[in-house]
Amino acid sequence: RKEVEQDPGPFNVPEGATVAFNCTYSNSASQSFFWYRQDCRKEPKLLMSVYSSGNEDGRFTAQLNRASQYISLLIRDSKLSDSATYLCVVRGGGFKTIFGAGTRLFVKA
Amino acid sequence: DTGVSQNPRHKITKRGQNVTFRCDPISEHNRLYWYRQTLGQGPEFLTYFQNEAQLEKSRLLSDRFSAERPKGSFSTLEIQRTEQGDSAMYLCASSFTSGPRVNEQFFGPGTRLTVL
Repeated sequence: RKEVEQDPGPFNVPEGATVAFNCTYSNSASQSFFWYRQDCRKEPKLLMSVYSSGNEDGRFTAQLNRASQYISLLIRDSKLSDSATYLCVVRGGGFKTIFGAGTRLFVKA
Repeated sequence: DTGVSQNPRHKITKRGQNVTFRCDPISEHNRLYWYRQTLGQGPEFLTYFQNEAQLEKSRLLSDRFSAERPKGSFSTLEIQRTEQGDSAMYLCASSFTSGPRVNEQFFGPGTRLTVL
């Protein structure tokens, strides 16, 4: 079993749609959680950290369920510019950072 | 541009040759990470430095791989006796040690290695 697993995708949605990505992790001792975005042929960039209480940044909402070892990302009112690969990222007590394989999102006009 | 830089951007080599990549992190960052990414996968952690100390290494980092950060600034990643399976994008990232952005890793553009 992979340490971090994500929906395989791709997700194809129209502009304005709401889309949700799911991620599970295997190490119950994991302490930090993030969503990164990676555009085609570009480097990953931090989208948002994920906090236990859940957090929101504009159209983006991240949630964490430690009991189920589950992380989610919700994107509301999708824009064409949201088209990218979304990477779920987990870090344990050390510095090893585990990335999921990513879920590709295509937003169409 | 004060972001993370990596050189070279592309490297084509023959199997069995040695290659070395360089990463220059953001100057204020003490933490430096190396990752490897293949098509359709997320970045795979290779190793981590805090200043000049290599504090963590992945089991992916076989004895053919070595990384250094001699003065706590730039870092090099060397692959000896390259194999075709080493073909990948090698990404470097850096981050602060403390402060509000301590968890944000800033990635460089990567070095794409092709082993023929």
